[in-house]
Amino acid sequence: QKEVEQDPGPLSVPEGAIVSLNCTYSNSAFQYFMWYRQYSRKGPELLMYTYSSGNKEDGRFTAQVDKSSKYISLFIRDSQPSDSATYLCAMSFNDYKLSFGAGTTVTVRA
Amino acid sequence: SAVISQKPSRDICQRGTSLTIQCQVDSQVTMMFWYRQQPGQSLTLIATANQGSEATYESGFVIDKFPISRPNLTFSTLTVSNMSPEDSSIYLCSVAGGSGGVETQYFGPGTRLLVL
Repeated sequence: QKEVEQDPGPLSVPEGAIVSLNCTYSNSAFQYFMWYRQYSRKGPELLMYTYSSGNKEDGRFTAQVDKSSKYISLFIRDSQPSDSATYLCAMSFNDYKLSFGAGTTVTVRA
Repeated sequence: SAVISQKPSRDICQRGTSLTIQCQVDSQVTMMFWYRQQPGQSLTLIATANQGSEATYESGFVIDKFPISRPNLTFSTLTVSNMSPEDSSIYLCSVAGGSGGVETQYFGPGTRLLVL
């Protein structure tokens, strides 16, 4: 079993839809949770970072962490074609070494 | 966030040769890491580049194959030695512990390596 499991894609949604992305993890010692966006042929770009259980909002993006269920989510509201990318969840212990999910490729159709 | 550059951005190499990848950050950072992203796959941590001491390697990665240097707080190199086609990947450096705090980790643009 992988440490971090990410819902497989790909996802294709119409412009303006809500995109929901999810990851589960097996090790309850993970402390830091991130979401990265990766455009084709680019490095991952940090979107959201959370430490504790609960919600964190940044513009159209909301990150959720449920440590009791070992489950994290990213929601993208009012999705735009420019949101088309691969989204990677990542998490770390207090050593800051990241364990990544496999990634979900999202296409937002205009 | 830190501005990270990598050189070269891409290269095509012959098997049996070695390639050194450079990672430069525009500000001092506490931690630097090297990751590999194989075609169609997610990122896997190769090692932590420690300033002034030997790198710390993850399971499955060894110093003879991936020697790493970190002479200061803004620069690191990763060498891929005695390359084979299986080393064809994107190699990415990441940094943490700059102005964004140690918990936030930023990535460089990556080096695309093709080994023939």
